Amino acid sequence: NAGVTQTPKFRVLKTGQSMTLLCAQDMNHEYMYWYRQDPGMGLRLIHYSVGEGTTAKGEVPDGYNVSRLKKQNFLLGLESAAPSQTSVYFCASSYGVAGVYEQYFGPGTRLTVT
Amino acid sequence: GENVEQHPSTLSVQEGDSAVIKCTYSDSASNYFPWYKQELGKGPQLIIDIRSNVGEKKDQRIAVTLNKTAKHFSLHITETQPEDSAVYFCAARRASTGNQFYFGTGTSLTVIP
Repeated sequence: NAGVTQTPKFRVLKTGQSMTLLCAQDMNHEYMYWYRQDPGMGLRLIHYSVGEGTTAKGEVPDGYNVSRLKKQNFLLGLESAAPSQTSVYFCASSYGVAGVYEQYFGPGTRLTVT
Repeated sequence: GENVEQHPSTLSVQEGDSAVIKCTYSDSASNYFPWYKQELGKGPQLIIDIRSNVGEKKDQRIAVTLNKTAKHFSLHITETQPEDSAVYFCAARRASTGNQFYFGTGTSLTVIP
C-alpha cells in the first residue's frame, strides 16, 4: 500500500514550457486535491475532484488545469509556465464519505520555473 | 471565506519542555480541525485532529484543545524530543462541498537537545 505518490519529485522548466504532474493513490479514495506550498503562505488549494470525471476550482486555480480520467489518478497541468508558479506542489486524497474527513498527502513535487 | 491564523511562526524549546501552537479561525461553520507535521522534504502528515463537538483530545504526548466560542484551537506537545522538530500546520475544514480545508501558515518548531 503506497498511499499517495507523485511524479516527478523535482523539475526545472523555462518560462513558457508546459508540463504535467501526476498524482496516484491506491486507497480507493473518492476525493483528490492539488495544493501549492509557498514560504510563509501555508498550503493553498489549486483544484480538487470529488470523483472520477469531475474537477472543480480551488483558491488559486489560474494558470493550471486538471483532469481525473481514472479514480486513482489526478493530473495537474501547466500549459505555459511562469516564474510565479515556482513552488512545491502537493497532492492529497480523502475518502469522500460523510463524517470521514482526513486528507492524506503525497511527498511533493518541487518545481522551479526560470 | 475561511481565514486561519497560526502563531507563532517559529518556536524553540529545550528538550523535555512543552510546546504550544495556537490557531484561530473565522468561519463558525467549520467542524473539523486537523494538525499536520511536515518534516524537511516530505509531505504533511496528520498527527491529531478534533471535531467541533469535542473540547479536547489527547494522544500520548500530543493534545489538541478547541474553544468553539472563541474560535481557536491549540496543539500541545509535552516532553518534547529532538525528533519533534518540524513544521506544524493547523487547518479548518470548510462547511462546503469537496471536503475542503484552509491551512494556517505553519510553525517551525526546533527542539534543542
